[in-house]
Amino acid sequence: DVKVTQSSRYLVKRTGEKVFLECVQDMDHENMFWYRQDPGLGLRLIYFSYDVKMKEKGDIPEGYSVSREKKERFSLILESASTNQTSMYLCASSPRDGLYEQYFGPGTRLTVT
Amino acid sequence: TQLLEQSPQFLSIQEGENLTVYCNSSSVFSSLQWYRQEPGEGPVLLVTVVTGGEVKKLKRLTFQFGDARKDSSLHITAAQPGDTGLYLCAGIVSNAGGTSYGKLTFGQGTILTVHP
Repeated sequence: DVKVTQSSRYLVKRTGEKVFLECVQDMDHENMFWYRQDPGLGLRLIYFSYDVKMKEKGDIPEGYSVSREKKERFSLILESASTNQTSMYLCASSPRDGLYEQYFGPGTRLTVT
Repeated sequence: TQLLEQSPQFLSIQEGENLTVYCNSSSVFSSLQWYRQEPGEGPVLLVTVVTGGEVKKLKRLTFQFGDARKDSSLHITAAQPGDTGLYLCAGIVSNAGGTSYGKLTFGQGTILTVHP
């Protein structure tokens, strides 16, 4: 059974803190993605990675960075958390070829106070 | 500008009713996927359509890809409370060149509530 796991389901952080969200997939997928999901705004792509150490900006990369040191792990970093980064964060992976079907983790609901 | 327009945004119906969700674009897609997301969980892939005019069935769910590959629909027959959730369409825009790296364009979603 394919699996994408995220390090936390719920997280509460203070403004200015550095926040790490981790995602691990066991499907040997080359592509990995980080989204945020907000009511009325749908899924918005923050960053994606198509290979180890490779990363590309998505639609809303400001205030975020990513790290992919191993194929199975993709980390999202909030350098200095702000209240407008309170959101649901979703990680996904997909194979390099074929239909690019994405497999999502359960999400991390982050609250920044 | 939203590349994939989903309608309706909200749908509240009684158990046993039929419904259709639409996903429209002015762009051509090489493939289109439908996902369902339950509250507090990540989206789960339901189906992928690839060929223009393709129809796929998953129990009471029927998915159709438009002939020109610019639109898709999801029809649910005899909806049940277990169908409640957020339905998302997503696709890969067909490009003459370049690599998409599997980057999907998502619609804004349809929140479906089926009342017992």
